[in-house]
Amino acid sequence: AQSVAQPEDQVNVAEGNPLTVKCTYSVSGNPYLFWYVQYPNRGLQFLLKYITGDNLVKGSYGFEAEFNKSQTSFHLKKPSALVSDSALYFCAVRDVSRESGYSTLTFGKGTMLLVSP
Amino acid sequence: GAVVSQHPSRVICKSGTSVKIECRSLDFQATTMFWYRQFPKQSLMLMATSNEGSKATYEQGVEKDKFLINHASLTLSTLTVTSAHPEDSSFYICSAPAGAPSPTDTQYFGPGTRLTVL
Repeated sequence: AQSVAQPEDQVNVAEGNPLTVKCTYSVSGNPYLFWYVQYPNRGLQFLLKYITGDNLVKGSYGFEAEFNKSQTSFHLKKPSALVSDSALYFCAVRDVSRESGYSTLTFGKGTMLLVSP
Repeated sequence: GAVVSQHPSRVICKSGTSVKIECRSLDFQATTMFWYRQFPKQSLMLMATSNEGSKATYEQGVEKDKFLINHASLTLSTLTVTSAHPEDSSFYICSAPAGAPSPTDTQYFGPGTRLTVL
């Protein structure tokens, strides 16, 4: 079964500093990996995805993620954190295709990012 | 990007009543939509797949008679929580993929509905 692990419940960083939110994955076959962000009482917003190609994927709001096959990791990064980046971040992996042909997502448990002024 | 809406955003109901939650794709058609449930400080768990024109498929452990799903059109899926109880209180989120099925399709999520059962 596909799975992702987010080892940190919370990450604290000062504004202006670089941030990293960790994610490791376990899949059979090619990994299709995603990052989503959730603000309080809101749905998930898509940040970026890795399908194939360059290991460094650039996404929305200045975020990027680095795919590392040997370490089975897909860490989310940003060079300079903003207070407004404070939110809950989910790593996800594409699940097997369903009857519809569409894939669903298996999510990690989420990591709360807190950026202090 | 594609936009998915949900209504209502928040609902409070008495135990034993039924609650309907709507999920709409605003600028694209979705033959398939997905319903997730999120408990406080936990991840999203897939509940069911809503299929336009056919029955929904439910994940293991999800009661289909408890959570009725109707995919009435290519832009609307509804989730009805029947005879709601306090343990059904949760954040319900729908998602829909835009475009044809592919290994790289992206899910677009609604803003979620906070259900509180008293």
